[in-house]
Amino acid sequence: DTEVTQTPKHLVMGMTNKKSLKCEQHMGHRAMYWYKQKAKKPPELMFVYSYEKLSINESVPSRFSPECPNSSLLNLHLHALQPEDSALYLCASSLRDGGYGYTFGSGTRLTVV
Amino acid sequence: QQQVKQSPQSLIVQKGGISIINCAYENTAFDYFPWYQQFPGKGPALLIAIRPDVSEKKEGRFTISFNKSAKQFSLHIMDSQPGDSATYFCAASYNQGGKLIFGQGTELSVKP
Repeated sequence: DTEVTQTPKHLVMGMTNKKSLKCEQHMGHRAMYWYKQKAKKPPELMFVYSYEKLSINESVPSRFSPECPNSSLLNLHLHALQPEDSALYLCASSLRDGGYGYTFGSGTRLTVV
Repeated sequence: QQQVKQSPQSLIVQKGGISIINCAYENTAFDYFPWYQQFPGKGPALLIAIRPDVSEKKEGRFTISFNKSAKQFSLHIMDSQPGDSATYFCAASYNQGGKLIFGQGTELSVKP
């Protein structure tokens, strides 16, 4: 298995909703990442988990809450989002923390209404 | 110093032509330079990558040229095809910190 699987593929949520994005990989990678991507822009790093511990939080607002239940799973919990949070949310993994050999998922297209 | 500058922002090439995208960096600690290809609605996919001890790497129609002294690297797509139409991102990273620094992207359109 050489994939990073993200669910759901599309999500529409209201500003008062609570929802979660899920990411799964079975490649034995020990680093997992959340990125946010706006249209026609590069991905922006949000969080890095290394060996299931949060190692980088790029000053992301607390309405985004990451969780790494085990080495194969990564969640992003969403609460009280704003319309400007609408974007493509990408999960990625790599063998270890360090930027080498990233594998990205196809992303979740999030729309906040 | 953490930036990677990419040009051009958009590129139109005729089928069969050569597409060339350029990137420049400042941080000499970078030691890994990948290129990603992204189709609409999909995540970026690793296309080809190079380390600074090599001046050129070729995989099929895709070649990375690397100039360490100039701190520049480029992607050449030979015999460009309409299926190559996508957004291309150069990136850089080093062995610590977990960060992949992306260029701003180039939207490539290959006309039949």
